[in-house]
Amino acid sequence: GAGVSQSPRYKVTKRGQDVALRCDPISGHVSLYWYRQALGQGPEFLTYFNYEAQQDKSGLPNDRFSAERPEGSISTLTIQRTEQRDSAMYRCASSLGGVGYTFGSGTRLTVV
Amino acid sequence: AQTVTQSQPEMSVQEAETVTLSCTYDTSESNYYLFWYKQPPSRQMILVIRQEAYKQQNATENRFSVNFQKAAKSFSLKISDSQLGDTAMYFCAFKPEGSQGNLIFGKGTKLSVKP
Repeated sequence: GAGVSQSPRYKVTKRGQDVALRCDPISGHVSLYWYRQALGQGPEFLTYFNYEAQQDKSGLPNDRFSAERPEGSISTLTIQRTEQRDSAMYRCASSLGGVGYTFGSGTRLTVV
Repeated sequence: AQTVTQSQPEMSVQEAETVTLSCTYDTSESNYYLFWYKQPPSRQMILVIRQEAYKQQNATENRFSVNFQKAAKSFSLKISDSQLGDTAMYFCAFKPEGSQGNLIFGKGTKLSVKP
C-alpha cells in the first residue's frame, strides 16, 4: 500500500478482554516495528521484525503482550487480559531495513 | 543506557517568527542517527529532518534546520518563518548506526504557532 495502515483506528475494550491490533506495512518493507505511546509521552519501543522473524521483543512489558508477522507482511499485536494501564496509542512503523521509517496513524486503545 | 531529553514541554511562537526546540541525548556510540518527528493533531508521525552523526554539516529541509553539536550531544531544531501548520508535538529521536533496532524518543515538545 501507499502507507502504513493500522486497524482499528480506535478500540474500546473491557478490562480482562483480549485485543488484537493490526498493522499492514508498506509493500516490500522488510522491517516492522511496534511502539506504544502514552498520553503526553514519546513512543516507546515494544518489538520489531525482519521479515517474519521477531528480532527483538525486549520492549514488551509482560507476557500478556505478544506479536507475530507470520508471512513477513501484516503483523498483529495481541494483548491478553487487558488492564487499564494498557490504554495508550499503539503505533506501527515499517522500513526497508535502513533508517527510513514510515509510521502508521496508530490505534488508540482504551481499556474501561 | 541511551536516553533522549527534551527539556521544553511546551513552546509558543508568533507566526512568521523563528523558534528553536532543544534536544540532548546520552550515548557511548560514535556513529548514530538523529531525527526530529512532527506529530500534528491528525496523529500522524511525520519525519521532519534526519542527521547522520558522521556528517559535520547540519541538515536542512526548507524552513527546518538543525544545530548538531556532537561533543555536547545536542541536536536542536530551528523552525524559520513559522506557519500555523507547524503547530504540533515535536519528538527528537536517536538510533545507533548498525543497529536494526528501535528508535529512542524524547518526551516531546508541544509547539503552538500563534497568528
